[in-house]
Amino acid sequence: DTGVSQDPRHKITKRGQNVTFRCDPISEHNRLYWYRQTLGQGPEFLTYFQNEAQLEKSRLLSDRFSAERPKGSFSTLEIQRTEQGDSAMYLCASSRFKSGYPYEQYFGPGTRLTVT
Amino acid sequence: GQNIDQPTEMTATEGAIVQINCTYQTSGFNGLFWYQQHAGEAPTFLSYNVLDGLEEKGRFSSFLSRSKGYSYLLLKELQMKDSASYLCAVREVGATNKLIFGTGTLLAVQP
Repeated sequence: DTGVSQDPRHKITKRGQNVTFRCDPISEHNRLYWYRQTLGQGPEFLTYFQNEAQLEKSRLLSDRFSAERPKGSFSTLEIQRTEQGDSAMYLCASSRFKSGYPYEQYFGPGTRLTVT
Repeated sequence: GQNIDQPTEMTATEGAIVQINCTYQTSGFNGLFWYQQHAGEAPTFLSYNVLDGLEEKGRFSSFLSRSKGYSYLLLKELQMKDSASYLCAVREVGATNKLIFGTGTLLAVQP
């Protein structure tokens, strides 16, 4: 168990540019979540995958945001035409779901995005 | 609606005991989680309660009362490294089981 990994750890971009983040979940975890966290706040849910299917998206996720999990393993989160309000920590979490029981979510180290 | 309340900041002394409270009002409930988050790092899972009562894990204990919509995290024998933000989160009922987080309680442990 190597834990959830995310890349890059930090990203500075200019307003209007596109960015893409990657998340590698714990290998046997079939559930993957993206959250966004701003300073002084708790994480807020963005989207959820079970295997390769994206089953829920938050209203926080505007049309500029897209997420994929093409083979049910790693996931990418892309933000197009970034805005200063997108500056935040983007956290990925994964968990198991076995025998009808949802297990706890384990978080990656996050990608800190700064839009200038 | 979803509402999770916890104190913004707390201060405690090394070696002491501190209790961090969390109250919640959510449309569904499928367990309550406590996470620890050091500045600039990922939240780390501490404890989980789904039934009423106390769960103990070493220096950390967590309590849940579903009828009161209330939980607390108890930290004993405080160490300087316990200075961190403590996040209370409710897991929703439903297929997603996503977590709804409070804003976190920033705990400062002083010598």
